[in-house]
Amino acid sequence: QAVLTQPSSLSASPGASASLTCTLRSGINVGTYRIYWYKQKPGSPPQYLLRYNSDSDKQQGSGVPSRFSGSKDASANAGILLISGLQSEDEADYYCMIWHSNTYVFGAGTKVTVL
Amino acid sequence: EVQLVESGGGLVQPGRSLRLSCAASGFTFGDYAMHWVRQAPGKGLEWVSGISWISRTIAYADSVKGRFTISRDDAKNSLYLQMNSLRPEDTALYYCTKLDAAAMREDAFDLWGQGTMVTVSS
Repeated sequence: QAVLTQPSSLSASPGASASLTCTLRSGINVGTYRIYWYKQKPGSPPQYLLRYNSDSDKQQGSGVPSRFSGSKDASANAGILLISGLQSEDEADYYCMIWHSNTYVFGAGTKVTVL
Repeated sequence: EVQLVESGGGLVQPGRSLRLSCAASGFTFGDYAMHWVRQAPGKGLEWVSGISWISRTIAYADSVKGRFTISRDDAKNSLYLQMNSLRPEDTALYYCTKLDAAAMREDAFDLWGQGTMVTVSS
């Protein structure tokens, strides 16, 4: 079982909100991890979006709009990236990452399509 | 301009070697840990290796341990990845990336290069 599981795809309409999940493997408690989120458009390198651990421990990447935000769902053992007011330029792959067992572990990514 | 520029990729036969370079500019290179992250065609991101400031700590993914060697030259603002005994599964776009910290620890990869493509095939 992968350390981090992300849905492979998600579609939403312009102006809507999109909630991307990053589920941690059973036995790895999301409450003890900072979740990092990256955005990657086709043909471009990843871009750091934000880090979320709690409302008192979070960081927005430089120049990243506030409509990108993070949270956690402890009951689902998952980190969440919320994109509000979806725009066409939000169409991209989104990756979550954690620091686990002294290595950097990425999820497989979610492809977001703005219909 | 703050940037990372990778070079050294190419087509190489299985079992051969290749050395990647990453030139940094626009920030104090020696103050930060630097890493390599790769992305196989159509696939996700995979952390490969990292080196802390003054090369105090070095780490590798299990998939490359014993075959790849990371190094840095702070006088030249450069990061390197020596790749030996290459395998077809090493085929990927290799990104140089800066960690927002000096040590090998959890933090954000806040600056990425455009990547250099490595293809391992006979």
